[in-house]
Amino acid sequence: GENVEQHPSTLSVQEGDSAVIKCTYSDSASNYFPWYKQELGKRPQLIIDIRSNVGEKKDQRIAVTLNKTAKHFSLHITETQPEDSAVYFCAASMSRDTGKLIFGQGTTLQVKP
Amino acid sequence: DTAVSQTPKYLVTQMGNDKSIKCEQNLGHDTMYWYKQDSKKFLKIMFSYNNKELIINETVPNRFSPKSPDKAHLNLHINSLELGDSAVYFCASSQEETSGQETQYFGPGTRLLVL
Repeated sequence: GENVEQHPSTLSVQEGDSAVIKCTYSDSASNYFPWYKQELGKRPQLIIDIRSNVGEKKDQRIAVTLNKTAKHFSLHITETQPEDSAVYFCAASMSRDTGKLIFGQGTTLQVKP
Repeated sequence: DTAVSQTPKYLVTQMGNDKSIKCEQNLGHDTMYWYKQDSKKFLKIMFSYNNKELIINETVPNRFSPKSPDKAHLNLHINSLELGDSAVYFCASSQEETSGQETQYFGPGTRLLVL
């Protein structure tokens, strides 16, 4: 079955720096890759997603890149702010698997003021 | 106006008890899910229902039984609770489109502690 590996498990940056989180997936049939942000004690919330027919997507300070050949995708956060501190999850899914999201292990991002 | 809601928010119970968690979504979505988040924050899908029909059942012990009375509700009943069932359980919903997967919206979570 599908497996998603996420690195690093923890990431500490200074406010204003960039943060990059990387994920790899095992099943080449995966075609949907969302990223979720989970603040302490809260629900996961989608921050950006990308489909396999697109190589890059950007939304203000957040961008996601996808390399289908290498089966990896990355989240890039620029100009980090303390409120970006949270756990970030990548996930992968295949359209034939009706909504089944396989999540990475999560990255705890700490942005120091 | 909450999109996906769950009750209860917290559940503390003894081993061996039976408990239920309820989930409701008012987004008009046709697919609903249950996820388990363990103490290491790992999120794993348990079940999904599409228009009241079970679609995904991820090798979850049969002590866990989901029930979908209608497409806006997906409840989770757990029999004979064990210590290892302690976790946060998230309900989610999405709308499946012919173009592919759509965003899954998560509920606030139910924090279950089995003593």
